[in-house]
Amino acid sequence: GNSVTQMEGPVTLSEEAFLTINCTYTATGYPSLFWYVQYPGEGLQLLLKATKADDKGSNKGFEATYRKETTSFHLEKGSVQVSDSAVYFCAMDSSYKLIFGSGTRLLVRP
Amino acid sequence: DAEITQSPRHKITETGRQVTLACHQTWNHNNMFWYRQDLGHGLRLIHYSYGVQDTNKGEVSDGYSVSRSNTEDLPLTLESAASSQTSVYFCASSDHSRDTENIQYFGAGTRLSVL
Repeated sequence: GNSVTQMEGPVTLSEEAFLTINCTYTATGYPSLFWYVQYPGEGLQLLLKATKADDKGSNKGFEATYRKETTSFHLEKGSVQVSDSAVYFCAMDSSYKLIFGSGTRLLVRP
Repeated sequence: DAEITQSPRHKITETGRQVTLACHQTWNHNNMFWYRQDLGHGLRLIHYSYGVQDTNKGEVSDGYSVSRSNTEDLPLTLESAASSQTSVYFCASSDHSRDTENIQYFGAGTRLSVL
């Protein structure tokens, strides 16, 4: 069945370090893919998305590229800030529903 | 601005009681969803609705029910609360149109404790 797998956390980085959070999916066809972010005490909010193969989503310095060859949508940022500390969820569209990965907690230290 | 609101934000109840969590959106979205968030499981879909009078079961629907009598509201009812239903509950909404590309908008969540 359809599923999303993302790397387990927590991921702890120093400020200005490079970030990668891995996400792979299993699906029939080519679903839209999303990254959502959850800041402490808040609901999820969309960070970026990609709707077809080779699309690159980007927002707030974060990027992810839809790779159909490797069924992946890895999240990257070149230089993280303390304010990026949050939980990040990879998700894919499935008939207007979203299937989420288990989330990866990121902690950025000054 | 359009928004999606959940109430209450925090709720403590006792085992066996009926509990209803409210979700109200002013986006005029067709689709509404209820998720629960538990450590190690991410978000799991409880119920969802694609429009008025439409409701569907998600992957963890046992012990929960919803009704959709208008576009704006999708209340979630726990018929007889159990300790296993202690969780954080999120409501979300989205639209079908090509422009919105199925982006879901989330409420701030309700933290429910069943004692």
